[in-house]
Amino acid sequence: EAQVTQNPRYLITVTGKKLTVTCSQNMNHEYMSWYRQDPGLGLRQIYYSMNVEVTDKGDVPEGYKVSRKEKRNFPLILESPSPNQTSLYFCASSLSSPRGEKLFFGSGTQLSVL
Amino acid sequence: SQQGEEDPQALSIQEGENATMNCSYKTSINNLQWYRQNSGRGLVHLILIRSNEREKHSGRLRVTLDTSKKSSSLLITASRAADTASYFCATDAKSDYKLSFGAGTTVTVRA
Repeated sequence: EAQVTQNPRYLITVTGKKLTVTCSQNMNHEYMSWYRQDPGLGLRQIYYSMNVEVTDKGDVPEGYKVSRKEKRNFPLILESPSPNQTSLYFCASSLSSPRGEKLFFGSGTQLSVL
Repeated sequence: SQQGEEDPQALSIQEGENATMNCSYKTSINNLQWYRQNSGRGLVHLILIRSNEREKHSGRLRVTLDTSKKSSSLLITASRAADTASYFCATDAKSDYKLSFGAGTTVTVRA
């Protein structure tokens, strides 16, 4: 089944403790992206990747890192999480640039930073 | 930056009625897409309309696009309880490779 898989689904952590949220897609998509969703603010893009080893900042990249070593995986790294990073995170992918291509979303990761 | 803004923020209708929501955006776009999100789950793509198209249909969905007004509308006809969800418009600007989402319209369909 074609899908974007995120793990974990829920994560509670403490300030400053490094964490990684994994994202994997099995559709051979070139484009992958991370969004965060906060009430009243909709989805805001954190980072995106046009292809392997090609990543770029979205609208809210501060405090996050990403890597794209393989086409299928696009992990999101929080080196030193802070409470303002408490949010619902989504990974998404599309066949190529999202210009004219639909995005496929993962089920989300609810992160709480205490 | 948030490109699209949906209106209204929330909508409550009776089953069988039509639901209409609007999206306005700021800069020139290549395409506009609509997505649905069920209660904290991942977004699901509904329909894509290109900047040179004015109207598109998919089942009970009808989308219009007015590039002169920088706005789009999504109409759901003969609504069902299963249509209860949040709906988001997303635009890709001519200037970059990002897909920008609005804050969404929450639709509640009452039985």
